Amino acid sequence: DAGVIQSPRHEVTEMGQEVTLRCKPISGHDYLFWYRQTMMRGLELLIYFNNNVPIDDSGMPEDRFSAKMPNASFSTLKIQPSEPRDSAVYFCASRTGTGSYEQYFGPGTRLTVT
Amino acid sequence: AQSVAQPEDQVNVAEGNPLTVKCTYSVSGNPYLFWYVQYPNRGLQFLLKYITGDNLVKGSYGFEAEFNKSQTSFHLKKPSALVSDSALYFCAVRDIRSGAGSYQLTFGKGTKLSVIP
Repeated sequence: DAGVIQSPRHEVTEMGQEVTLRCKPISGHDYLFWYRQTMMRGLELLIYFNNNVPIDDSGMPEDRFSAKMPNASFSTLKIQPSEPRDSAVYFCASRTGTGSYEQYFGPGTRLTVT
Repeated sequence: AQSVAQPEDQVNVAEGNPLTVKCTYSVSGNPYLFWYVQYPNRGLQFLLKYITGDNLVKGSYGFEAEFNKSQTSFHLKKPSALVSDSALYFCAVRDIRSGAGSYQLTFGKGTKLSVIP
């Protein structure tokens, strides 16, 4: 199994630009999670989906952030417009829907907004 | 909400010595507890979990964790540390937010482990 796949691995953009991060979960996993990691705030859960439906988006910082999951094998996290304080590592994770609750993380996207 | 606490930001241990990374939890009901490791510039990797059963749980890379209900702790341990164990370690608990219909994980702030040659 290829594991959770994220792209791009690194993104550098200028303030005000739109940024789109992509994630492919592990095949057969029903849940998909988006996290943000910074030195100051640690690991924060932004939003998660079950069977492509958003369940809890209370961690999304503000309206500039949006996430979609159009099908079981693809999700996007979009920031528009981006700001320097959005600089962080963004992780996608997935898990099965049965019994086990451990999540499997992708390698992350390091976002730098200048 | 459930929570975990990792009281140490950093732990230093000499190579070959036993290591312990501490985690305490606060839950209502039965705890589901997890340990993850993050190597530099990598995603978090699942190490082990406790759901029920034996209080000593064995996981990947020779790590184990001891569940202690009376002390509400779930410390990560390894008998003999390797330099390659140097990484960031996260404790997590199964959690559910008010209004949400399913579980997520709530993570601790992480403990940086440095194994000194």
